[in-house]
Amino acid sequence: GDSVTQMEGPVTLSEEAFLTINCTYTATGYPSLFWYVQYPGEGLQLLLKATKADDKGSNKGFEATYRKETTSFHLEKGSVQVSDSAVYFCALRYGQNFVFGPGTRLSVLP
Amino acid sequence: EAQVTQNPRYLITVTGKKLTVTCSQNMNHEYMSWYRQDPGLGLRQIYYSMNVEVTDKGDVPEGYKVSRKEKRNFPLILESPSPNQTSLYFCASTSVPGLVNEQFFGPGTRLTVL
Repeated sequence: GDSVTQMEGPVTLSEEAFLTINCTYTATGYPSLFWYVQYPGEGLQLLLKATKADDKGSNKGFEATYRKETTSFHLEKGSVQVSDSAVYFCALRYGQNFVFGPGTRLSVLP
Repeated sequence: EAQVTQNPRYLITVTGKKLTVTCSQNMNHEYMSWYRQDPGLGLRQIYYSMNVEVTDKGDVPEGYKVSRKEKRNFPLILESPSPNQTSLYFCASTSVPGLVNEQFFGPGTRLTVL
């Protein structure tokens, strides 16, 4: 079946450091791919998405590119802030099937 | 404002006492679902509904019931809660046409079963 794998962390970085959270997927077709963010005490919010190969999603300084050849959708940010501390979920949608990764907890220290 | 609402946000109950967690969305979405989030296990889908009167089991349906009598509402029912159902629950919705859109999540319901 479809699945999503991501580094589980926790990831701890200093402010202004570069962030990469790896995400790879397996799917029978060509899914849409998403990154969600969950701040403490809140629900999941969409951070960015890409619906076809080579699409780049971007929002709030975060970026991820849909790589069909490597079945990956890695999340990157050039300079993290303390306010980026949260749990990040990679996810896919294929038809009516939604699959989430286990989440990666990010802590950014001042 | 487009949103998914859940009530209650926090609930402490005892084993065997029936409870209902309500979920409502104002975006006219066809698809709604319930997840539970547990440490180390990520999000697991309990039930989903593709439209009114159409529901189906997710990955962990045991001990839960749902109904979809109206498009906007999708309540989660625990008829005889047990301590292993202590968890953080999220309702979510999305549109069906196009099959590419993200899910919108409610704020969560933290349930403790004693």
